[in-house]
Amino acid sequence: GAGVSQSPSNKVTEKGKDVELRCDPISGHTALYWYRQSLGQGLEFLIYFQGNSAPDKSGLPSDRFSAERTGGSVSTLTIQRTQQEDSAVYLCASSRITDTQYFGPGTRLTVL
Amino acid sequence: RKEVEQDPGPFNVPEGATVAFNCTYSNSASQSFFWYRQDCRKEPKLLMSVYSSGNEDGRFTAQLNRASQYISLLIRDSKLSDSATYLCVVTGSSGTYKYIFGTGTRLKVLA
Repeated sequence: GAGVSQSPSNKVTEKGKDVELRCDPISGHTALYWYRQSLGQGLEFLIYFQGNSAPDKSGLPSDRFSAERTGGSVSTLTIQRTQQEDSAVYLCASSRITDTQYFGPGTRLTVL
Repeated sequence: RKEVEQDPGPFNVPEGATVAFNCTYSNSASQSFFWYRQDCRKEPKLLMSVYSSGNEDGRFTAQLNRASQYISLLIRDSKLSDSATYLCVVTGSSGTYKYIFGTGTRLKVLA
């Protein structure tokens, strides 16, 4: 079946611009997660959704970062006023409740 | 101290060799443990879950030692296709949803 999909695959933006990253989870997966992987760093947890609510947003690095999920499916991660340190690969994962997480291919964000 | 620590490598081994990776974690309340594999510029993919009793999947064996808070992965008869970064994953104490990743151990299998 179809896996987790993310768009765009690559995004280049200028410092100060807003960006939106999209995640389509595996059908039937109620849990959705966002992670960030910077060069040479491990994956860093950002936020967890169960259905449309986010019981854990503790990993969002600043108030410039926000995420929402609608219809228990698609999620959007928004970064406002991007900074160069936001450059990273943003990975989305989904799972059944809190089962094994399956990752999408990621969005590579470059802030110039 | 990092919550999950791994030797970054690289481990360069010849084809057919046996190689082992270890990973230590700091939170004794962690509940679930995994090894993921990540190829260059690709997403992480689950290799195997890790259980206290140990588990084996073909050439791969994973072990968990809760008392010493470490996880191991053994790869026997290494193949060229095993070349990748191996990520140790531990769940947080707040729930099994929160994956905490090590920075990964890079393996290169040489012909």
